[in-house]
Amino acid sequence: DAGVIQSPRHEVTEMGQEVTLRCKPISGHDYLFWYRQTMMRGLELLIYFNNNVPIDDSGMPEDRFSAKMPNASFSTLKIQPSEPRDSAVYFCASSPPPFGQPQHFGDGTRLSIL
Amino acid sequence: GQQLNQSPQSMFIQEGEDVSMNCTSSSIFNTWLWYKQDPGEGPVLLIALYKAGELTSNGRLTAQFGITRKDSFLNISASIPSDVGIYFCAGQLVTGANNLFFGTGTRLTVIP
Repeated sequence: DAGVIQSPRHEVTEMGQEVTLRCKPISGHDYLFWYRQTMMRGLELLIYFNNNVPIDDSGMPEDRFSAKMPNASFSTLKIQPSEPRDSAVYFCASSPPPFGQPQHFGDGTRLSIL
Repeated sequence: GQQLNQSPQSMFIQEGEDVSMNCTSSSIFNTWLWYKQDPGEGPVLLIALYKAGELTSNGRLTAQFGITRKDSFLNISASIPSDVGIYFCAGQLVTGANNLFFGTGTRLTVIP
């Protein structure tokens, strides 16, 4: 079975540029989560969706970050404008209903902002 | 947020040795999860524990959900080189907006 699919795997761009990260959750998983992982802070939840609706975005660091889920099989995380401190590995995860089931992670996008 | 203390932070062991790591929290969780992360990949779920006192095995891995619901441990028996990686515990709630909290990880190195 296909797992959570993220793209791109790596992204290197200059500060000020717009960055878009993509995620395809596992089919049938109603919950989708975006995480950021850094050495200093570990894994941090940024936002999560239930049935394509954002439920909690309190982890989104700033207005420069936005996330959308236009349908059940696709989500994006956008950073505009990007800054060097946004450099991290961004993970998408999904889980089936009911709420509280174990989350399954994608392989992440390693983002470097120069 | 919830604080999960995971120990040890790193381990260097000889191939064939057993490994033990644990996670404690000041909060009660409904579920304990153990993930393994290989370099350049996402965390992969190893074991999920749903009940206080539950002891669950997955091959050479054994994990237990503490009676107080505030701790969990993971044991790996007869370690092999491919066990190398970072192991994360995670406590999960069934309510609340942000319901999954990760430990700081245990970096395991297996020396052949």
